[in-house]
Amino acid sequence: DIVLTQSPLSLPVSPGEPASISCRSNQNLRHSNAQEYLHWYLQKPGQSPQLLIYLGSHRASGVPDRFSGSGTGTHFTLKINRMEAEDVGVYYCMQSLDSITFGQGTRLDIK
Amino acid sequence: ITLKESGPTLLRPTQTLTLTCTFSGFSLNTTRMGVGWVRQPPGQALEWLALIHWDDSKRFSPSLEKRLTITKDTSKNAVVITMANMDTADTATYYCAHIPLGLFDWFGPWGQGILVTVSS
Repeated sequence: DIVLTQSPLSLPVSPGEPASISCRSNQNLRHSNAQEYLHWYLQKPGQSPQLLIYLGSHRASGVPDRFSGSGTGTHFTLKINRMEAEDVGVYYCMQSLDSITFGQGTRLDIK
Repeated sequence: ITLKESGPTLLRPTQTLTLTCTFSGFSLNTTRMGVGWVRQPPGQALEWLALIHWDDSKRFSPSLEKRLTITKDTSKNAVVITMANMDTADTATYYCAHIPLGLFDWFGPWGQGILVTVSS
């Protein structure tokens, strides 16, 4: 089974400051087609999850450009270059290379 | 694209859960489209259950596969998931979500979710 480990589990960030969340996999998520099968979601309080980043680094439609995804193989990072109040919530990484698994989530809130 | 889950909100242990995802804005007759199901126990992380593609191919969570079925009704724009032998540990919010590119299998828009409680 592919296990995704996120860190930190909780992250208070001041408005306007950057934030970074790590997602590590116990297996390589790079497909033979050269795509990284790692995706990021945000679940705002009381809401359903929403897609932020797919295939490692592709921003979903309507996602602000302050969000970016990077990484390859077993280590991936989600970055917010300037934290805003509306970014509060729980962030999940998910892999779809072998079955589908989610990380345990990282709670981001305003400091 | 919108999706909405429907079904019972209270079940007894050992009963079978049947949930329907009704969607609009896409068709499962379209190549590469799919629908997946994910659940979330109260205060816990997301857990994937199953998905179905336009070509009727299916994938299941290995830990739950023996309890799950998933089918599609393209004429009704609906996907139905069943989970047998429900237990109190299956109490969760159940979501369906659109898969815009099957075989990559990330989830696009999600439904609002339905809270299913299993209690005797």
